[in-house]
Amino acid sequence: QKEVEQNSGPLSVPEGAIASLNCTYSDRVSQSFFWYRQYSGKSPELIMSIYSNGDKEDGRFTAQLNKASQYVSLLIRDSQPSDSATYLCAVGAAGNKLTFGGGTRVLVKP
Amino acid sequence: EAGVAQSPRYKIIEKRQSVAFWCNPISGHATLYWYQQILGQGPKLLIQFQNNGVVDDSQLPKDRFSAERLKGVDSTLKIQPAKLEDSAVYLCASSPRGGLDTGELFFGEGSRLTVL
Repeated sequence: QKEVEQNSGPLSVPEGAIASLNCTYSDRVSQSFFWYRQYSGKSPELIMSIYSNGDKEDGRFTAQLNKASQYVSLLIRDSQPSDSATYLCAVGAAGNKLTFGGGTRVLVKP
Repeated sequence: EAGVAQSPRYKIIEKRQSVAFWCNPISGHATLYWYQQILGQGPKLLIQFQNNGVVDDSQLPKDRFSAERLKGVDSTLKIQPAKLEDSAVYLCASSPRGGLDTGELFFGEGSRLTVL
């Protein structure tokens, strides 16, 4: 059983629409949750972090966390072609251990 | 502030040969990670160092992979002998946080290995 699961996609959204990405995790004692963006051929870069239940907004990005359901999501509002990338969900546990999901590929069509 | 440095960027070898990758983390970062990312998959943790001690190497294929972090700074990841399935990008990352809290990871540009 994978520790962090994501739909691999591709998730195709029209420009200006909302992209909704989901992630589930298996370790109930997970403490921190991250969304990384990875452009093709590039390294992952952090775009959002969330530590407590609820929503966290940063510009066009909103992260949502539900620890009871072991579920994390990312919303991208007003999607732009430059948002086309793979989005990696990462879950942190004690000892600075960070486990990544397989990633969801997002394609924003003009 | 200088980022995480990795070399070489690209390496092509034949199976059963050996290869070594080098990583220099951001200055002052206590935690260093090596991840393996196979095309189309998410990064998989191979080994995690806290200063110069190993925190987690549970997914490191120890019969062929080895890693060290000398003096708690630079790190080297070695593969010997390489197999076809080792073809991947090897990502080095560092983090300023220690202890129980996980902070942001800063990634290097990666070392792309092709095993023929």
